[in-house]
Parts: sequence; C-alpha cells; structure tokens
Amino acid sequence: DAGVTQSPTHLIKTRGQQVTLRCSPISGHKSVSWYQQVLGQGPQFIFQYYEKEERGRGNFPDRFSARQFPNYSSELNVHALLLGDSALYLCASTLEGQSSSPLHFGNGTRLTVT
Amino acid sequence: DAKTTQPPSMDCAEGRAANLPCNHSTISGNEYVYWYRQIHSQGPQYIIHGLKNNETNEMASLIITEDRKSSTLTLPHATLRDTAVYYCIVRVQTGFQKLVFGTGTRLLVSP
Repeated sequence: DAGVTQSPTHLIKTRGQQVTLRCSPISGHKSVSWYQQVLGQGPQFIFQYYEKEERGRGNFPDRFSARQFPNYSSELNVHALLLGDSALYLCASTLEGQSSSPLHFGNGTRLTVT
Repeated sequence: DAKTTQPPSMDCAEGRAANLPCNHSTISGNEYVYWYRQIHSQGPQYIIHGLKNNETNEMASLIITEDRKSSTLTLPHATLRDTAVYYCIVRVQTGFQKLVFGTGTRLLVSP
C-alpha cells in the first residue's frame, strides 16, 4: 500500500513569491496534518484538517493556509515567502480526527527560499 | 514547548540493545507517550506508543515507569539502519491531533 505522498520533493522559490505543496494521505485516512521542520530542529505543527474542516492551527502567520479536498488530499499554501520559510514541510495522515491512531508521515517537500 | 527531555545523543554497537530514555515529569493522566524516529532525509516514522502498561511490537519495546514520569524505548538488536533521531512525545488522545516534537536523541549505531 502506498504511504503518504507529497509533491514536489524539492522546490526553490524567491522571496516574496507564493508556493503550493501537495499531499495525498494513505488510502482510507481522513485526517491530514502539516508540519514545518527547520534544519536542526524537530517538526512544528502548522495545521490539522479532518473531513475538509480545519481542526487545529499552530503558531504560524496568516501567510500560511491550507485546505482539504473531498478525496482527503490536501494543499498547503504559503504567500509572500520569507527566507525563514526555508524548511522541510511534512504531511501526515491518520484514520480519524481524534483517536489513538498514530500519525503516518510522508518524506516531505524541501522548500528553499532565496 | 515540548513536555519531554531526552539526551541529545547516544551511541550503540551493532547487535546490542539500544535503550533510549525520556523524562516526562509533567505528564497528565490522559496523555500517552509516543515514540517516533527520523532517518536522515525522511519523514518521522511511528515506532510505538503507550499509556501506562509496557508495550512491545515488532520494532521495539516501551517501558513506562509506574509513576509515568519517565520511559525507555528499547531496540533489542540495533542495526546500522536504526541510526536516526528518536523523538519521545506526550499527547492527549482527545481534541485535535498535534504532536509537539522536541530535539530528540540522535542515536548512532556503529559496526
């Protein structure tokens, strides 16, 4: 079975541009979460979506937005990119919005802002 | 902020058991202990989780102390492929799902 897939794997953008990252959850998983991992640090929570609704949001500015589609895939959008947005962006899926089911992560999209 | 404390790094010889400690002295009664690991250039991989009983699966064993203020993840026969950063996380099972990662323990398995 396919795991969580993310695209693209690498991306280079210029400061001020916008970017869209995509995530396909494991088949049957209805919840998707997004994390940002800056080099040398652990991942930080950005958003959780369940059944197309935002369930939680981390401490990130409004430049970060996301949505979930009827097929449970998700997009993360970042506007007005800053150099500090350079990071590995991870998507994770799980069966339900609230459960003991563990999160399963993709291998991420590495975003470089120049 | 992460609610766990882990040593920044540990070494282990290939074939030996790797025991990774974690302190979570402020853990609440409804919080579970989760362990993930992250191999270089990959996303975090779920290993195991538990509430208060010891748990074992095909990857590892988790021992949680009776007062639940600390736990130990054991990889029974470490291999070179177990070299990774290991994260210990406490999480409530209700509400939205949010993992708060610390800086983890970098485990180096050597031949």
